[in-house]
Amino acid sequence: AQSVTQLDSQVPVFEEAPVELRCNYSSSVSVYLFWYVQYPNQGLQLLLKYLSGSTLVKGINGFEAEFNKSQTSFHLRKPSVHISDTAEYFCAVSDPGFGNEKLTFGTGTRLTIIP
Amino acid sequence: GAVVSQHPSRVICKSGTSVKIECRSLDFQATTMFWYRQFPKKSLMLMATSNEGSKATYEQGVEKDKFLINHASLTLSTLTVTSAHPEDSSFYICSASDRVVRTEAFFGQGTRLTVV
Repeated sequence: AQSVTQLDSQVPVFEEAPVELRCNYSSSVSVYLFWYVQYPNQGLQLLLKYLSGSTLVKGINGFEAEFNKSQTSFHLRKPSVHISDTAEYFCAVSDPGFGNEKLTFGTGTRLTIIP
Repeated sequence: GAVVSQHPSRVICKSGTSVKIECRSLDFQATTMFWYRQFPKKSLMLMATSNEGSKATYEQGVEKDKFLINHASLTLSTLTVTSAHPEDSSFYICSASDRVVRTEAFFGQGTRLTVV
């Protein structure tokens, strides 16, 4: 079975400061990893994904994440945040062997940007 | 990118009635769609996997008779909440994957269900 742990439920950050949202996963098999963003009362939008290859993945809106197999982590980073980045962020994993679309989500991290 | 449309975005219904939520893939074919439920300030919990032309696969603890799922075509899956009760109030989200390019699931906008 797979699981995802997002260590921080809420992260307040000043505008233009850097941010890191942490994600650790547990799986006995290789996985695909995803970060999604959710704005209030909306669905999820994919920020970035790791399937294979380079462990540093760049996504939309200036976000990037690094896959670390030894630490089973996939932390999300942005060097300078903007007010519009205020949202809920979800880390997710899927098992490629069973269809990579069936996702297990973390509990989410609410990112609040302080002006 | 691929678009998944979910309808309605908001619905309020009386206790005891049924509500149908639609999930459509607009520009691709999806053999599989997923239905999630999101409680306030909680993560998304997978309810069921909807397979085109066959019965849905429900996750443990999800009542099949209460949450009816139909996936009659490659572009449409429906979730019907039968005999709704206030505890069924939640945010429901569907996702679908392109049967050809299966490296990402695309999400609908979600449906906020309120049962009064």
